Amino acid sequence: KAGVTQTPRYLIKTRGQQVTLSCSPISGHRSVSWYQQTPGQGLQFLFEYFSETQRNKGNFPGRFSGRQFSNSRSEMNVSTLELGDSALYLCASSLDRPTGREQYFGPGTRLTVT
Amino acid sequence: TQLLEQSPQFLSIQEGENLTVYCNSSSVFSSLQWYRQEPGEGPVLLVTVVTGGEVKKLKRLTFQFGDARKDSSLHITAAQPGDTGLYLCAGVNQAGTALIFGKGTTLSVSS
Repeated sequence: KAGVTQTPRYLIKTRGQQVTLSCSPISGHRSVSWYQQTPGQGLQFLFEYFSETQRNKGNFPGRFSGRQFSNSRSEMNVSTLELGDSALYLCASSLDRPTGREQYFGPGTRLTVT
Repeated sequence: TQLLEQSPQFLSIQEGENLTVYCNSSSVFSSLQWYRQEPGEGPVLLVTVVTGGEVKKLKRLTFQFGDARKDSSLHITAAQPGDTGLYLCAGVNQAGTALIFGKGTTLSVSS
């Protein structure tokens, strides 16, 4: 079956702009989690969506938001971009709970803020 | 705050050598997972260890969960260039709501 897909794969934005990233989970998976990966901080949990509801949230500012659609596809939005938001943004899908079952990661979106 | 410390941070070895990478914490985890991430890709789950003292083998990779469930190790026998990548350990946070990741060990195996 098809894996997790993320679009776009690469993105360059200017400080102050906003950006929307998209994630399509594996068919049948209802949980989508988002992570930020940087060399300094590693992989950090942003939030998790399940059945169109944000179920859990990490310790990131309100500039980071997301949503999930009825087909389980998810989008992540970052407003008022800062240089420190440059990172690889990964989404992962799982059947129900990301902590109880295997998560499948997408290839990520590489965001560069200049 | 639950933290997972991985060591070493970087490892560069020749094909055929053995190596061990470590994942340590002062907190108890109900389970630990190991992932491998290759450049340009997302992490791929290798194994989940659940029971203290558990040992799991995946071909040339041997994973061990500490008796107290605070640490884990990954041993690779006769490393190959295909083993090159970032190795990450992850555990469920105390609230049971998300995975906490270590910062990873970057392994480079040259032929």
